[in-house]
Amino acid sequence: NAGVTQTPKFQVLKTGQSMTLQCAQDMNHNSMYWYRQDPGMGLRLIYYSASEGTTDKGEVPNGYNVSRLNKREFSLRLESAAPSQTSVYFCASSDRDRYSYEQYFGPGTRLTVT
Amino acid sequence: DQQVKQNSPSLSVQEGRISILNCDYTNSMFDYFLWYKKYPAEGPTFLISISSIKDKNEDGRFTVFLNKSAKHLSLHIVPSQPGDSAVYFCAAKTQGGSEKLVFGKGMKLTVNP
Repeated sequence: NAGVTQTPKFQVLKTGQSMTLQCAQDMNHNSMYWYRQDPGMGLRLIYYSASEGTTDKGEVPNGYNVSRLNKREFSLRLESAAPSQTSVYFCASSDRDRYSYEQYFGPGTRLTVT
Repeated sequence: DQQVKQNSPSLSVQEGRISILNCDYTNSMFDYFLWYKKYPAEGPTFLISISSIKDKNEDGRFTVFLNKSAKHLSLHIVPSQPGDSAVYFCAAKTQGGSEKLVFGKGMKLTVNP
C-alpha cells in the first residue's frame, strides 16, 4: 500500500497563476482533508470531505477550491495564486468507521508563490 | 482563538532522559486527543491517542496523560532517543459526528546524544 500520495512535491508559481494539487489514497478511507502548514502556525484545515461528493470548508478556505473526484482522490485548486498561499500543503485521510480518529498524511507539497 | 495550545516552541533533552511535551486546550467539547510526530520534509505520522474517558494511555516508550479538569495533556517519552528529534503536534477532536481535528502549533524536540 502506498498510503496517501501527493503530486507534485514542489511547485513554484507566479502570482495569478493557477494550479491543482493532487491527492490519492489507497486505504479505502471515507474522509479526506487538505491542510496547510506555515511556520509557527501548526496545521490548519483548508477543506474536508466526509465522503465522495461532499466537501466542507475548514478554518482557512479562502482562495481555494476542492473536488472529491471519487473515493480515492481529493484535489485542491488555487485559481489565482497569491504570495500568502506560499506554504506546505498536506493531504490526509481517515476512516470514520474506526474509533481511533487517526488521520494518515501524505508527504506534502511545498508551494512557493512569487 | 487558538483552541489547542502548545506554549513551548522547543525542548532539548539528553538521550536516555525523559521528555515531557505539554498541550493545553480550551474547548470542553473535545473528546479525543492525538499526538503526531513530524520529521522535516515528511508528513506527520500518528504517535498515540487518548479518549476523554481515560486519563492515561501507554504505548512502549510513549505515554499520554490527560487531566480533564485542567484541560491539559502531556506526552512522556522515556527513555528519549536521538531518533525522537522531531516536531510534535497535539490535536483534538470535537464530540459529535465530525472527524475534523484541531492542531496545536507544534513543539520541536531535540534529543542530544
